[in-house]
Amino acid sequence: GQQLNQSPQSMFIQEGEDVSMNCTSSSIFNTWLWYKQDPGEGPVLLIALYKAGELTSNGRLTAQFGITRKDSFLNISASIPSDVGIYFCAGREGGSEKLVFGKGTKLTVNP
Amino acid sequence: GAVVSQHPSRVICKSGTSVKIECRSLDFQATTMFWYRQFPKQSLMLMATSNEGSKATYEQGVEKDKFLINHASLTLSTLTVTSAHPEDSSFYICSSTSGSSDEQYFGPGTRLTVT
Repeated sequence: GQQLNQSPQSMFIQEGEDVSMNCTSSSIFNTWLWYKQDPGEGPVLLIALYKAGELTSNGRLTAQFGITRKDSFLNISASIPSDVGIYFCAGREGGSEKLVFGKGTKLTVNP
Repeated sequence: GAVVSQHPSRVICKSGTSVKIECRSLDFQATTMFWYRQFPKQSLMLMATSNEGSKATYEQGVEKDKFLINHASLTLSTLTVTSAHPEDSSFYICSSTSGSSDEQYFGPGTRLTVT
């Protein structure tokens, strides 16, 4: 099935550093979502974006809906050990209730 | 966010047997539930969309006779893996949209191992 291009695939950072990851698509999306998945758990919704250019924050997390509607990024500031996990972007096209997921970015934070 | 539960969290079964996985919305009515499969170190792949009171819509390549979905009430959808084989071993996750949000909230997942 269709998938989004998510990068980087993995990141190894020191506690306190900022992190940035992004997703691109060949299709235009009406909604961009960012989820975090811990091992053996289901994904948890972090941020939802609905308008091109929208910039939304959730604590230390900030995400933006790209102007072209074909991309989105997620920033995590001042990372902490509990930020460890896999982050997935997901997009939804207009008129569809289905989500298309990126392949995920595995984040490792060294204390 | 909306709370979705799954049962069981882990199940081991023998090849050829059937396994039923339940997905429940705990604090809202879910007219639509989604079933995903996730293989190790891979992303979530949508298997089917389950609508209360009607037949599920399966994604291309997903065998509807093998993965039986029933959504008989507004709070419960079930996925039955029939005649399971080792290649069906995977992490199965359901999600649902709540009445107050169009976004999908996921259950904790079910780890299926077929021996």
